Amino acid sequence: QSALTQPASVSGSPGQSITISCTGTSSDVGGYNYVSWYQQYPGKAPKLIIYDVTSRPSGVSNRFSGSKSGNTASLTISGLQAEDEADYYCSSYTGSSTLVFGGGTKLTVL
Amino acid sequence: QVQLQESGPGLVKPSETLSLTCTVSGFSISIGHYWGWIRQSPGKGLEWIGNIYNSGSTYYNPSLKSRVTISVDTSKNQFSLKLSSVTAADTAVYYCARDKGGSGWTFDYWGQGTLVTVSS
Repeated sequence: QSALTQPASVSGSPGQSITISCTGTSSDVGGYNYVSWYQQYPGKAPKLIIYDVTSRPSGVSNRFSGSKSGNTASLTISGLQAEDEADYYCSSYTGSSTLVFGGGTKLTVL
Repeated sequence: QVQLQESGPGLVKPSETLSLTCTVSGFSISIGHYWGWIRQSPGKGLEWIGNIYNSGSTYYNPSLKSRVTISVDTSKNQFSLKLSSVTAADTAVYYCARDKGGSGWTFDYWGQGTLVTVSS
């Protein structure tokens, strides 16, 4: 299975909105509504911020939202804050009952 | 509060077997949920290794399946990872995590991670 495709980096200014894409195939992203997003700070474990494409775990800011169209899922962060600067990873369940991650995107808040 | 803690050798020689244990507290593995292992090579992205249920049912990453064994010990509230014939490419931070349940694989609780270096 191949890793999902994410942009290596994105950036935005405080208060702006940014979107990170996650492209897969009909066997993973396009075939199931089981896309998750994780936020990871340097040296820390990933934190779940979006699951099942659009759902947010309790305690996660509503500035984070997810969507999907075809084989591409997206994470949108609105009202960008300095604390959002981190690495973001998508993942998707696959038709082989396995899991595949994206390569990760480094978000820089300018 | 669910907590997970990885433990095991931080240095493994090439061709040997990497062995790690994840100890779970604040939640009984016997109740349910799948439990997984994920790794992250230095400066790289996340890679799913595999998941296990309390019954012992397992799912593995096809690229690692021939070398991976995940097992569970409900009496100790632990699950373990064995990765055989390791090379330098297996050097990574290894995380254990809990699948949140429902459908798909989604990890809601993670251990802090443990760095395993493969070197002679």
